Amino acid sequence: GENVEQHPSTLSVQEGDSAVIKCTYSDSASNYFPWYKQELGKGPQLIIDIRSNVGEKKDQRIAVTLNKTAKHFSLHITETQPEDSAVYFCAANTGGFKTIFGAGTRLFVKA
Amino acid sequence: GAVVSQHPSWVICKSGTSVKIECRSLDFQATTMFWYRQFPKQSLMLMATSNEGSKATYEQGVEKDKFLINHASLTLSTLTVTSAHPEDSSFYICSATRLNTEAFFGQGTRLTVV
Repeated sequence: GENVEQHPSTLSVQEGDSAVIKCTYSDSASNYFPWYKQELGKGPQLIIDIRSNVGEKKDQRIAVTLNKTAKHFSLHITETQPEDSAVYFCAANTGGFKTIFGAGTRLFVKA
Repeated sequence: GAVVSQHPSWVICKSGTSVKIECRSLDFQATTMFWYRQFPKQSLMLMATSNEGSKATYEQGVEKDKFLINHASLTLSTLTVTSAHPEDSSFYICSATRLNTEAFFGQGTRLTVV
């Protein structure tokens, strides 16, 4: 089955700096890659996603890139703000519509 | 985005009792819903896939008789934790898929078994 690896597990940045989270997946059949933000005690919220027919997608300060050949995808957050502090999960969606999550990255943005 | 409502948001129950958690898609029909379990500071672990009108598909290692899943309609799936024990204490999260790809998550249910 699909396996998603995510790095780093913890990331601390200064406010205004950029943050990058990287993930790899194993199943070449995966075709949809969402990113979720989870705040303490809440369910994950979809923040951006990318499909396998696209290499890059941007939404304001957030961007995601996908390298299908290498099975890598990354989340880029620019001009980070304290409210960006949360746990971020990458995920891969297989043909069975299951969402398999990475282990998560705890992002701290220091003011 | 689409709204998935999960109820209750938290519950405390005694050992040996059963607890039911509901997951509703409020503004779309979800042919498939998923149930996840999350331990503190860990990722979401898929427990089972719930398809409307058919039996749920459980992931390896998940006890079918302990975690009963019912998907009675296109907008409602329920997870019942039967004969709960303290080790069942966890954060349970459901998700519902729209257009067979996008998944939207409920707010989660924190279960504490005492």
